[in-house]
Amino acid sequence: DQQVKQNSPSLSVQEGRISILNCDYTNSMFDYFLWYKKYPAEGPTFLISISSIKDKNEDGRFTVFLNKSAKHLSLHIVPSQPGDSAVYFCAASPLGNEKLTFGTGTRLTIIP
Amino acid sequence: DAGITQSPRHKVTETGTPVTLRCHQTENHRYMYWYRQDPGHGLRLIHYSYGVKDTDKGEVSDGYSVSRSKTEDFLLTLESATSSQTSVYFCAIRITGGRAEAFFGQGTRLTVV
Repeated sequence: DQQVKQNSPSLSVQEGRISILNCDYTNSMFDYFLWYKKYPAEGPTFLISISSIKDKNEDGRFTVFLNKSAKHLSLHIVPSQPGDSAVYFCAASPLGNEKLTFGTGTRLTIIP
Repeated sequence: DAGITQSPRHKVTETGTPVTLRCHQTENHRYMYWYRQDPGHGLRLIHYSYGVKDTDKGEVSDGYSVSRSKTEDFLLTLESATSSQTSVYFCAIRITGGRAEAFFGQGTRLTVV
C-alpha cells in the first residue's frame, strides 16, 4: 500500500523553464510534507517543506503547493538549472507520529 | 553535514551470513531511521527509533533487526542476508518526530552474493 505516490518516474525540462514535480498521498493523517533531492552516490538532501496549515511555501527558486482536498502536492522549480538534474522524492509525516514515508521518486533532467 | 556517519560504506557478503550496518550521529537527536533505496521503490522505511531502546518497525522490516543502546548509535542487522537485501541503505536523523526535516547519511551499498 503506497501511501505517497509519485506517478511520473522521469521528467525532462529545458533549462530556464519551469519544472513541476507532482506527488499524491492517500493518508488523511499526514500533517507535514517534504521534498528531497538526491544525486547519485549521495544521501538525499532536504529542499523544502510545508505543513498542513499552509497551502504554499516558497524558498528562492523552489515553491511547494499543497492541495489538501485533492491530497496533492507539487514542487515548482523556476527557472530550472542544469544542477537541478537529480532524483526528487516527496515525503510525508502524520500528526503526532514519528514515521516519515517517502514516494518512489521522479528523475528530473534539465536539458541545456 | 548533519554529523551522520554510516559504516561500512560498501560491503559484499555471502548469502546466509549476518551483517551489521552502523549509523553514528554526533548531534544527540532523538529520532533515527533506516531506509533502503531500490529502483522503482524509492526510499522504504525498515525500522526507526524514538529513543534509547525504543524502536519500531517500518514497512519492510522482515529479515532485519535494529538496536539502539546509546543515543548516538543505531545498528541495523540482517540476520541471514539474502540476495533480495542487496540495496543501498540510508540512515537518517530527525530533531523531532513531527514537523521537522530529516537529515541523511551518505549511504551503505550492500551486495549479497
